[in-house]
Amino acid sequence: EVQLQQSGAELGKPGTSVKLSCKVSGYNIRNTYMHWVNQRPGKGLEWIGRIDPANGNTIYAEKFKSKATLTADTSSNTAYMQLSQLKSDDTAIYFCAIGGFAYWGQGTLVTVSS
Amino acid sequence: DIQMTQSPSSMSVSLGDTVTITCRASQDVGIYVNWFQQKPGKSPRRMIYRATNLADGVPSRFSGSRSGSDYSLTISSLESEDVADYHCLQYDEYPRTFGGGTKLELK
Repeated sequence: EVQLQQSGAELGKPGTSVKLSCKVSGYNIRNTYMHWVNQRPGKGLEWIGRIDPANGNTIYAEKFKSKATLTADTSSNTAYMQLSQLKSDDTAIYFCAIGGFAYWGQGTLVTVSS
Repeated sequence: DIQMTQSPSSMSVSLGDTVTITCRASQDVGIYVNWFQQKPGKSPRRMIYRATNLADGVPSRFSGSRSGSDYSLTISSLESEDVADYHCLQYDEYPRTFGGGTKLELK
């Protein structure tokens, strides 16, 4: 069974950074792209970017190029997303997804508040 | 970026209805459209991939179709468990883009 286990909720102050994790079991992340998607409260889904864990290559949506940094550790089958310079607008649930979006993590709530 | 214009944004439905949700792509995305179901507090679930293919475990009352740049998700004989939000996604080009979502509500 494929499972994506994301890290717990984060409360970040404006201007700080948070690093989210997504640990995969049942699927070798070397064999897939890892996508990250967010969902602001009451809103739709928004694609942030993806990483190819096999070589570290990344592609970001334009608006997230200065906001998100995607990395992956194939030895632990875990992907990470760092969000920097947090603003209130970054408050959202962040999801990881693999296998052509067939498998999703449970989401991590990031709340930005002073 | 490719825009996926999804309609309607919300729909009031009854059990047993046939429901159709549509996404219009701003440029050609071929067959590279997924449909997702999302229930409150849950992660999205892939229902349809490559525009018309039913994902594993998805009931056969769900179907996907394409007519030119219009992609549709149809639910036949709506059941209570189908009341949810639905999202389309194009994955032909980067950045991947989602439709705005459709919320199904029971009358």
